[in-house]
Amino acid sequence: KAGVTQTPRYLIKTRGQQVTLSCSPISGHRSVSWYQQTPGQGLQFLFEYFSETQRNKGNFPGRFSGRQFSNSRSEMNVSTLELGDSALYLCASSRGWEAKNIQYFGAGTRLSVL
Amino acid sequence: SQQGEEDPQALSIQEGENATMNCSYKTSINNLQWYRQNSGRGLVHLILIRSNEREKHSGRLRVTLDTSKKSSSLLITASRAADTASYFCATVVSGANSKLTFGKGITLSVRP
Repeated sequence: KAGVTQTPRYLIKTRGQQVTLSCSPISGHRSVSWYQQTPGQGLQFLFEYFSETQRNKGNFPGRFSGRQFSNSRSEMNVSTLELGDSALYLCASSRGWEAKNIQYFGAGTRLSVL
Repeated sequence: SQQGEEDPQALSIQEGENATMNCSYKTSINNLQWYRQNSGRGLVHLILIRSNEREKHSGRLRVTLDTSKKSSSLLITASRAADTASYFCATVVSGANSKLTFGKGITLSVRP
Protein backbone atom coordinates (compact mmCIF):
# COMPACT_ATOMS: atom_id res chain seq x y z
CA LYS A 1 0.00 0.00 0.00
CA ALA A 2 1.46 3.37 -0.97
CA GLY A 3 2.15 5.83 1.82
CA VAL A 4 1.19 9.46 2.11
CA THR A 5 2.52 11.42 -0.85
CA GLN A 6 3.26 15.12 -0.67
CA THR A 7 4.17 17.25 -3.65
CA PRO A 8 6.29 19.11 -4.31
CA ARG A 9 9.10 18.17 -1.93
CA TYR A 10 10.77 21.56 -2.12
CA LEU A 11 9.54 25.02 -2.99
CA ILE A 12 11.18 28.41 -3.14
CA LYS A 13 8.93 31.45 -3.25
CA THR A 14 9.25 35.16 -2.64
CA ARG A 15 7.34 37.31 -0.20
CA GLY A 16 3.84 38.20 -1.34
CA GLN A 17 3.43 35.18 -3.59
CA GLN A 18 1.01 32.36 -2.92
CA VAL A 19 1.65 28.63 -2.86
CA THR A 20 -0.38 25.44 -3.08
CA LEU A 21 0.79 22.18 -1.55
CA SER A 22 -0.71 18.79 -2.32
CA CYS A 23 -1.24 15.67 -0.26
CA SER A 24 -2.47 12.24 -1.33
CA PRO A 25 -3.43 10.11 1.67
CA ILE A 26 -3.10 6.37 2.07
CA SER A 27 -5.81 4.56 0.14
CA GLY A 28 -8.88 4.17 2.33
CA HIS A 29 -7.93 6.96 4.71
CA ARG A 30 -10.53 9.70 4.82
CA SER A 31 -8.95 12.08 7.30
CA VAL A 32 -6.12 14.43 6.34
CA SER A 33 -4.34 16.76 8.74
CA TRP A 34 -1.76 19.45 8.02
CA TYR A 35 1.06 20.62 10.28
CA GLN A 36 3.70 23.31 10.09
CA GLN A 37 7.10 22.49 11.56
CA THR A 38 9.68 25.16 12.35
CA PRO A 39 12.74 25.06 14.63
CA GLY A 40 11.29 27.73 16.88
CA GLN A 41 7.65 26.66 17.21
CA GLY A 42 7.95 22.94 16.62
CA LEU A 43 4.98 21.09 15.13
CA GLN A 44 1.89 23.25 14.92
CA PHE A 45 -1.51 21.91 13.85
CA LEU A 46 -3.01 23.74 10.89
CA PHE A 47 -6.27 21.95 10.08
CA GLU A 48 -7.95 18.60 9.61
CA TYR A 49 -10.33 17.49 6.90
CA PHE A 50 -12.68 14.54 6.76
CA SER A 51 -15.02 13.77 3.89
CA GLU A 52 -14.34 17.16 2.29
CA THR A 53 -15.25 19.04 5.49
CA GLN A 54 -12.90 20.93 7.73
CA ARG A 55 -13.33 19.33 11.16
CA ASN A 56 -10.73 21.15 13.15
CA LYS A 57 -8.58 24.23 12.77
CA GLY A 58 -5.44 25.46 14.48
CA ASN A 59 -4.46 28.97 15.39
CA PHE A 60 -3.20 30.27 12.07
CA PRO A 61 -4.19 33.39 10.12
CA GLY A 62 -6.72 33.26 7.31
CA ARG A 63 -3.89 33.30 4.77
CA PHE A 64 -3.65 29.57 5.43
CA SER A 65 -6.48 27.60 3.88
CA GLY A 66 -7.13 24.10 2.72
CA ARG A 67 -9.59 21.84 1.03
CA GLN A 68 -10.22 18.16 0.51
CA PHE A 69 -11.54 16.52 -2.61
CA SER A 70 -13.95 13.63 -2.99
CA ASN A 71 -11.03 11.21 -3.46
CA SER A 72 -9.64 12.39 -0.07
CA ARG A 73 -6.70 14.18 -1.66
CA SER A 74 -6.06 17.49 0.03
CA GLU A 75 -4.43 20.79 -0.82
CA MET A 76 -3.36 23.62 1.38
CA ASN A 77 -2.83 27.15 0.16
CA VAL A 78 -0.86 29.98 1.69
CA SER A 79 -1.48 33.42 0.25
CA THR A 80 0.63 36.56 0.58
CA LEU A 81 3.66 34.64 1.78
CA GLU A 82 5.77 36.02 4.62
CA LEU A 83 9.35 35.15 5.56
CA GLY A 84 8.04 33.44 8.68
CA ASP A 85 6.09 30.97 6.57
CA SER A 86 9.34 29.20 5.73
CA ALA A 87 8.86 25.75 7.23
CA LEU A 88 8.43 22.06 6.64
CA TYR A 89 4.75 21.41 5.95
CA LEU A 90 3.63 17.93 6.86
CA CYS A 91 0.48 16.13 5.88
CA ALA A 92 -0.85 13.12 7.76
CA SER A 93 -3.70 10.76 7.06
CA SER A 94 -5.70 8.46 9.28
CA ARG A 95 -8.67 6.16 8.91
CA GLY A 96 -11.21 8.17 10.87
CA TRP A 97 -11.68 11.82 11.62
CA GLU A 98 -10.96 11.49 15.31
CA ALA A 99 -7.31 12.11 16.01
CA LYS A 100 -7.26 9.15 18.38
CA ASN A 101 -6.42 7.16 15.31
CA ILE A 102 -2.79 6.71 14.41
CA GLN A 103 -1.56 9.28 11.91
CA TYR A 104 0.63 8.41 8.95
CA PHE A 105 2.85 11.22 7.77
CA GLY A 106 4.19 12.15 4.38
CA ALA A 107 7.81 13.23 3.87
CA GLY A 108 6.76 16.87 3.84
CA THR A 109 7.14 19.90 1.61
CA ARG A 110 9.94 22.24 2.55
CA LEU A 111 8.94 25.80 1.73
CA SER A 112 11.51 28.56 1.66
CA VAL A 113 10.26 32.14 1.40
CA LEU A 114 12.85 34.67 0.26
CA SER B 1 1.63 26.68 24.61
CA GLN B 2 2.62 23.07 24.01
CA GLN B 3 0.47 20.39 25.61
CA GLY B 4 3.36 17.96 25.76
CA GLU B 5 6.83 18.87 26.97
CA GLU B 6 9.63 16.39 26.46
CA ASP B 7 12.68 16.01 28.65
CA PRO B 8 15.60 16.09 28.08
CA GLN B 9 15.77 18.23 24.94
CA ALA B 10 18.82 16.30 23.74
CA LEU B 11 20.31 12.96 24.66
CA SER B 12 23.57 11.38 23.55
CA ILE B 13 24.33 7.77 24.38
CA GLN B 14 26.58 4.93 23.26
CA GLU B 15 25.26 2.13 21.10
CA GLY B 16 23.93 -0.68 23.27
CA GLU B 17 22.86 1.60 26.10
CA ASN B 18 19.24 2.30 27.00
CA ALA B 19 17.64 5.66 26.24
CA THR B 20 14.90 7.07 28.42
CA MET B 21 12.83 10.05 27.31
CA ASN B 22 10.11 11.74 29.30
CA CYS B 23 7.00 13.68 28.40
CA SER B 24 4.75 15.75 30.63
CA TYR B 25 1.38 17.18 29.69
CA LYS B 26 -1.13 19.56 31.18
CA THR B 27 -4.71 18.39 30.69
CA SER B 28 -6.59 15.10 30.75
CA ILE B 29 -5.92 13.00 27.71
CA ASN B 30 -7.62 10.30 25.71
CA ASN B 31 -4.33 8.80 24.59
CA LEU B 32 -0.65 9.62 24.20
CA GLN B 33 1.46 8.70 21.22
CA TRP B 34 5.18 8.67 20.49
CA TYR B 35 6.55 9.45 17.04
CA ARG B 36 10.04 9.41 15.56
CA GLN B 37 11.38 11.78 12.93
CA ASN B 38 14.56 11.25 11.01
CA SER B 39 16.27 14.45 9.95
CA GLY B 40 13.96 16.61 7.85
CA ARG B 41 11.57 13.78 7.08
CA GLY B 42 8.03 12.89 8.05
CA LEU B 43 7.09 11.43 11.39
CA VAL B 44 6.71 7.72 11.99
CA HIS B 45 4.27 6.44 14.60
CA LEU B 46 5.95 4.30 17.25
CA ILE B 47 3.38 3.46 19.90
CA LEU B 48 0.03 4.58 21.31
CA ILE B 49 -0.96 4.23 24.94
CA ARG B 50 -4.52 4.89 26.11
CA SER B 51 -5.38 6.77 29.27
CA ASN B 52 -6.53 3.57 30.99
CA GLU B 53 -3.25 1.77 30.24
CA ARG B 54 -0.09 1.98 32.33
CA GLU B 55 2.51 0.28 30.18
CA LYS B 56 2.94 -0.95 26.62
CA HIS B 57 5.71 -2.73 24.80
CA SER B 58 6.65 -2.89 21.16
CA GLY B 59 9.90 -4.61 20.29
CA ARG B 60 12.70 -2.64 21.99
CA LEU B 61 10.28 0.11 23.02
CA ARG B 62 8.55 0.40 26.37
CA VAL B 63 6.14 3.20 27.15
CA THR B 64 4.67 4.00 30.52
CA LEU B 65 1.88 6.39 31.38
CA ASP B 66 1.15 7.92 34.77
CA THR B 67 -2.07 9.91 34.51
CA SER B 68 -1.85 11.06 38.13
CA LYS B 69 1.47 12.78 37.35
CA LYS B 70 0.44 13.62 33.78
CA SER B 71 3.62 12.10 32.45
CA SER B 72 4.88 9.39 30.13
CA SER B 73 8.24 7.84 29.42
CA LEU B 74 9.67 6.12 26.38
CA LEU B 75 12.44 3.60 26.93
CA ILE B 76 14.49 2.32 24.01
CA THR B 77 16.55 -0.66 25.05
CA ALA B 78 19.85 -1.76 23.48
CA SER B 79 19.99 1.35 21.30
CA ARG B 80 21.44 1.29 17.80
CA ALA B 81 22.97 4.00 15.62
CA ALA B 82 19.82 3.78 13.48
CA ASP B 83 17.78 5.01 16.47
CA THR B 84 19.37 8.44 16.03
CA ALA B 85 16.40 10.73 15.40
CA SER B 86 14.05 13.20 17.04
CA TYR B 87 11.31 11.75 19.21
CA PHE B 88 8.01 13.47 19.88
CA CYS B 89 5.22 12.78 22.27
CA ALA B 90 1.76 13.77 21.12
CA THR B 91 -1.39 13.91 23.16
CA VAL B 92 -5.04 13.66 22.26
CA VAL B 93 -7.08 15.67 24.72
CA SER B 94 -10.37 14.21 25.88
CA GLY B 95 -13.46 15.73 24.31
CA ALA B 96 -14.89 16.74 20.99
CA ASN B 97 -12.78 18.01 18.12
CA SER B 98 -9.74 16.36 19.59
CA LYS B 99 -6.50 16.72 17.70
CA LEU B 100 -2.92 15.59 18.12
CA THR B 101 -0.80 18.14 19.95
CA PHE B 102 2.94 17.61 19.75
CA GLY B 103 5.74 18.52 22.09
CA LYS B 104 8.93 20.11 20.77
CA GLY B 105 10.78 16.83 20.64
CA ILE B 106 13.92 15.18 21.95
CA THR B 107 17.02 14.78 19.79
CA LEU B 108 18.59 11.40 20.40
CA SER B 109 22.10 10.69 19.16
CA VAL B 110 23.39 7.14 19.40
CA ARG B 111 27.15 6.92 18.98
CA PRO B 112 28.46 3.77 17.26
